[in-house]
Amino acid sequence: DAGVIQSPRHEVTEMGQEVTLRCKPISGHDYLFWYRQTMMRGLELLIYFNNNVPIDDSGMPEDRFSAKMPNASFSTLKIQPSEPRDSAVYFCASSFQGRTGELFFGEGSRLTVL
Amino acid sequence: GQNIDQPTEMTATEGAIVQINCTYQTSGFNGLFWYQQHAGEAPTFLSYNVLDGLEEKGRFSSFLSRSKGYSYLLLKELQMKDSASYLCAVRDRWRGYQKVTFGIGTKLQVIP
Repeated sequence: DAGVIQSPRHEVTEMGQEVTLRCKPISGHDYLFWYRQTMMRGLELLIYFNNNVPIDDSGMPEDRFSAKMPNASFSTLKIQPSEPRDSAVYFCASSFQGRTGELFFGEGSRLTVL
Repeated sequence: GQNIDQPTEMTATEGAIVQINCTYQTSGFNGLFWYQQHAGEAPTFLSYNVLDGLEEKGRFSSFLSRSKGYSYLLLKELQMKDSASYLCAVRDRWRGYQKVTFGIGTKLQVIP
């Protein structure tokens, strides 16, 4: 069974460009989380979805960030326009609200904005 | 919201035992996770506690006290491969939904 799949694994872009990160959760999972990880701040929760519906986006840093989940098998995180301070590793994770409900993480997308 | 505290760095000797503490403050506690993250990799699940007490899984154990807002991860018979970051995460129930927030992580270095 495939795990959480993220793309791209690495992205280098210039300030002002649009960045789109993609995530395919594990089939059957009903929660999807987007996190950003930096050395200074650790893993920050940006937004999470339940059954494709955004529940809490209070962690999204600015209006430049947006996320969608058009169906149960696909989500995107978009940054427009990108800035150097957005450089980080972005993780997508999914879970099923069962007994433990542990999160399964994708490999992450390492974003560098020059 | 949540406030999760854990030490940023620890060093321990191969073969020894190390305890990594985590304290938290939250309004709708619904479980605590420990994750391991090797450098350059994704976090992987280690343990889950929702009731008070100790959960043991091989060389790793995790303890929870809900009244104190406290958990620890105990690693026994340390091996060099245990050098990694250990992340404490709290699950909150909010309006029937489950939110998972992570601490900054404890970077553990195992030395010979």
